[in-house]
Amino acid sequence: NAGVTQTPKFQVLKTGQSMTLQCAQDMNHEYMSWYRQDPGMGLRLIHYSVGAGITDQGEVPNGYNVSRSTTEDFPLRLLSAAPSQTSVYFCASSYHSGRTGEQYFGPGTRLTVT
Amino acid sequence: SQQGEEDPQALSIQEGENATMNCSYKTSINNLQWYRQNSGRGLVHLILIRSNEREKHSGRLRVTLDTSKKSSSLLITASRAADTASYFCATDFGGSNYKLTFGKGTLLTVNP
Repeated sequence: NAGVTQTPKFQVLKTGQSMTLQCAQDMNHEYMSWYRQDPGMGLRLIHYSVGAGITDQGEVPNGYNVSRSTTEDFPLRLLSAAPSQTSVYFCASSYHSGRTGEQYFGPGTRLTVT
Repeated sequence: SQQGEEDPQALSIQEGENATMNCSYKTSINNLQWYRQNSGRGLVHLILIRSNEREKHSGRLRVTLDTSKKSSSLLITASRAADTASYFCATDFGGSNYKLTFGKGTLLTVNP
């Protein structure tokens, strides 16, 4: 199993550009989520999904969109990039038996917005 | 904020010593999890402890949970240089949302 994969590993955007961060998992996990990690802030939840067709907002959803058309994929879209979105983005997945369990994290995408 | 808070923010010890990190939170939880993050890498799950459990072990790791004090501790015994990493607690507050809330982490440095 590849586990949780994220692409790209690094990305530089100009302010106002849009892009999609890709996340895929091959463990048949129902639950998937996106976090951003900033120095001194820990991880903050952006959006999450408990299954295909179901998404919900986390702590910091503004400026980001998600969709979950398949169990395997959970892309994160930046609509109009801003310097405040410079961060490291992590995707995670887990089994979902009604509660939030052990999360499997991807390697991260380091995004810089200039 | 509902997030857990780790203490201390940074900890430096010698190889062979024990390392203890603490996590406090504000509201009742369904479970509490500990993760490790090596520099520049993704997080790795260490232990999950449910609200009705008081202690769990995994190898050199021991996690305790005191729901009356709303706190948890992670003990790493006989530390090794390879244990150098950031350690995060994450809390599942239950209810109808399925959000895992992370603290800001403890940076552990184990000196050879």
